[in-house]
Amino acid sequence: SQKIEQNSEALNIQEGKTATLTCNYTNYSPAYLQWYRQDPGRGPVFLLLIRENEKEKRKERLKVTFDTTLKQSLFHITASQPADSATYLCALVRRDDKIIFGKGTRLHILP
Amino acid sequence: GAVVSQHPSWVICKSGTSVKIECRSLDFQATTMFWYRQFPKQSLMLMATSNEGSKATYEQGVEKDKFLINHASLTLSTLTVTSAHPEDSSFYICSASHRGTGGGGYGYTFGSGTRLTVV
Repeated sequence: SQKIEQNSEALNIQEGKTATLTCNYTNYSPAYLQWYRQDPGRGPVFLLLIRENEKEKRKERLKVTFDTTLKQSLFHITASQPADSATYLCALVRRDDKIIFGKGTRLHILP
Repeated sequence: GAVVSQHPSWVICKSGTSVKIECRSLDFQATTMFWYRQFPKQSLMLMATSNEGSKATYEQGVEKDKFLINHASLTLSTLTVTSAHPEDSSFYICSASHRGTGGGGYGYTFGSGTRLTVV
């Protein structure tokens, strides 16, 4: 079965630095991969999508890379701010449009 | 942007009773909606796919007689937890797919979730 792993349960980063979150997957070749932000007691909010034929995607301070050979995606937040503190979810989108989520990484930006 | 409204945001019910959760797409039509369950510090687990005008498709291990899904219109899907037990206490979240602009691609919009507590 498909598995998706986010290797850090929690990550502390100093304000202003770049936060890098890792997502690895096995047993599947997704059509695309998504990243979401989830705040406590709230539903996930879509951030970025990257397709299998794309290497990198950017949106403001966010950057996502996708390496289909390594079966890995990296999610970067540059110039991190305390307001970026949240749980970030990696999601593999299957070709039947169903989503498999990782457990998430709780990111804490320290002032 | 696309908005999905989920109601109620929290509910407490007695064991053995039924609870209905509503999920509405406010500014777009959603032929397909998804229902998830999330336990603390765990990932979202897909429970079922709700298709407008037809029966829902349940994931393996999800009891379709316990979690009744109705997708009566292009903007409304409901999840009813029947004969609820304490182990059904969880965070339930719906989502709908749409041709969004976020990230330049095909995004999914999630509801804000429903915290169900069965006592």
